[in-house]
Amino acid sequence: GAVVSQHPSRVICKSGTSVKIECRSLDFQATTMFWYRQFPKQSLMLMATSNEGSKATYEQGVEKDKFLINHASLTLSTLTVTSAHPEDSSFYICSAGTGGGPSTDTQYFGPGTRLTVL
Amino acid sequence: AQRVTQPEKLLSVFKGAPVELKCNYSYSGSPELFWYVQYSRQRLQLLLRHISRESIKGFTADLNKGETSFHLKKPFAQEEDSAMYYCALGGTSYGKLTFGQGTILTVHP
Repeated sequence: GAVVSQHPSRVICKSGTSVKIECRSLDFQATTMFWYRQFPKQSLMLMATSNEGSKATYEQGVEKDKFLINHASLTLSTLTVTSAHPEDSSFYICSAGTGGGPSTDTQYFGPGTRLTVL
Repeated sequence: AQRVTQPEKLLSVFKGAPVELKCNYSYSGSPELFWYVQYSRQRLQLLLRHISRESIKGFTADLNKGETSFHLKKPFAQEEDSAMYYCALGGTSYGKLTFGQGTILTVHP
């Protein structure tokens, strides 16, 4: 089956530093990748949609200058949390789909990255 | 605007009992509905989608456009069904999904 990995699985950083999270599709090419944020026992909040080779589309209320997304290849997307603050502490999840067609493709989810900002 | 509502945050049943997880949606276009499941300490994974109309692990879900619902059902719950279940709505641009708040299902022995 389709596998999506995320690295790191857990990161602790100091306030004001930047953190990069990688999302990789291991055995398929992902035209589209999605980045979500999940609070404890709550739903997934879509942050942005990234398509390979183009700029990410951010959801309303998500600061694009704070959450930088790069989708440089069909198997790799990165999310960089710039100048992180404690309120950015959360569980970040990526998903990947082959997309491109008229119907919604199945999204394959990564295991998530726990970010703690001190 | 599209919206997915899962009215029950917690649902508890005993093993062997029927279970129904409710999901209602709001969307002006042609909806595509999904159920995703997240078992303890595991990643989110697709359980079923309405297009395929298949039964996975004994679960079924029927899209009712009149009632704008996509409830998930299983006639006899098992302990291993305990998990967080998310209803999701697709059918928009770029394949985006809108997730409901999720329902934590606990199946007691």
